[in-house]
Amino acid sequence: DTGVSQDPRHKITKRGQNVTFRCDPISEHNRLYWYRQTLGQGPEFLTYFQNEAQLEKSRLLSDRFSAERPKGSFSTLEIQRTEQGDSAMYLCASSLDGQGGNEKLFFGSGTQLSVL
Amino acid sequence: DAKTTQPNSMESNEEEPVHLPCNHSTISGTDYIHWYRQLPSQGPEYVIHGLTSNVNNRMASLAIAEDRKSSTLILHRATLRDAAVYYCILRTGNTPLVFGKGTRLSVIA
Repeated sequence: DTGVSQDPRHKITKRGQNVTFRCDPISEHNRLYWYRQTLGQGPEFLTYFQNEAQLEKSRLLSDRFSAERPKGSFSTLEIQRTEQGDSAMYLCASSLDGQGGNEKLFFGSGTQLSVL
Repeated sequence: DAKTTQPNSMESNEEEPVHLPCNHSTISGTDYIHWYRQLPSQGPEYVIHGLTSNVNNRMASLAIAEDRKSSTLILHRATLRDAAVYYCILRTGNTPLVFGKGTRLSVIA
C-alpha cells in the first residue's frame, strides 16, 4: 500500500516538551496538508504546502507550531513547549495540484498526541 | 467560507439504502460539493464530489438539487463497514477543505 504514511501513530509527552511528527505523502503528490482533530469535531486546517513552499497557514496556528517540507517530499510538524490543549489527532493529507475544485485529498491515519 | 448544514446523526438498517442530506444555501456557482467519510480511528476518506450534475461511483451516488442549494449522498446498500462520520464540504477554488461536524451514521445489523 502506497498511501499517506504518518509516524508515530501515538505520542505521549509531558507539558513543555517539544514533539515532531512526520508525514510521507503519496509519491507523486505535490500538495501536502496538515489538519488537527479533537474529539467530536471535524478536522481543522492548519497549513499546507505546494512542493516545498508553505502556501497557507491557519490564523489558529500558534507560533509554537512549525511545519517544513524541505525537499517537497515528506513533511514534519513540530510543536514546541507543548500544552495540554495541544492534545489531538494530527492528520496529514496529500493531493495532486492543478485540479481546482476536483482536487481529492488522501489522508493518513494520523498521529494521536496526548500531553500530560 | 461557504457553509453546509448536516444532521448530527442518522441511523440505517443494514442492506437498506441511506440518504444523507446536506444543505448549502449560500453555495456559489464555482463551488464543488465534496463528501468525505471518517471511519473510527482513521483519517477521512474521499467518497464523491460534483458540481452541478448527479454523480455515481463505486462507493456512492451524489444527487444535487437543481438550484444547488442542497445535495444528498446516497449509499445504495448500507453495510456495517459504512458506519462513519460523513462530511459534506464546499470546495471553493484552491482553498483548503473546511470540515464541519458531519453526520454520524450508525448501521444496525
